[in-house]
Amino acid sequence: AQSVSQHNHHVILSEAASLELGCNYSYGGTVNLFWYVQYPGQHLQLLLKYFSGDPLVKGIKGFEAEFIKSKFSFNLRKPSVQWSDTAEYFCAVNAGNNRKLIWGLGTSLAVNP
Amino acid sequence: NAGVTQTPKFRILKIGQSMTLQCAQDMNHNYMYWYRQDPGMGLKLIYYSVGAGITDKGEVPNGYNVSRSTTEDFPLRLELAAPSQTSVYFCASTTAQGATGELFFGEGSRLTVL
Repeated sequence: AQSVSQHNHHVILSEAASLELGCNYSYGGTVNLFWYVQYPGQHLQLLLKYFSGDPLVKGIKGFEAEFIKSKFSFNLRKPSVQWSDTAEYFCAVNAGNNRKLIWGLGTSLAVNP
Repeated sequence: NAGVTQTPKFRILKIGQSMTLQCAQDMNHNYMYWYRQDPGMGLKLIYYSVGAGITDKGEVPNGYNVSRSTTEDFPLRLELAAPSQTSVYFCASTTAQGATGELFFGEGSRLTVL
């Protein structure tokens, strides 16, 4: 069965630290990849997405993610986090142009000022 | 544009009561989804719809029903509420490209069943 794994469930960083959140999926065919963010008390919103082309994609607020097909990974990165990045981050995959997204369980990020 | 609007934002139900969570979108999206979100469990798909008159079950449909009589509205009905249905419910929509497109989420409805 198709699945998405987010390796870090809880991450605590200090401001200005670098961030990398892991996301791996299990599907051998064509995928569309997404990272969504949920700020405290808010709804989910799209951070960035990959459909095709350059495997390094840039999103909002200085986030980027790299698609590595050979590793079935789509890790999220940010060089220097801010307190306002405190949120829950979800990786999601659309496998084989399905009608539904497959979601990871999420990673809770807390950034200390 | 309002985007995706959910009502109510908060509700407390007694065991056995029924209620409907409303969801409306004004973006003319064909695809609509209902998710529930529980702490540490991510998002679980309850039901989804690919267009008016068409609905299908997701991962956790038991205890819920949906209808899609118009493109805009996708209400979620809870029959005989149980404590296990205490959760935050999110409605989402996307374009006719389906799950290849960006999902737009509502603000959520926090339901407590006592």
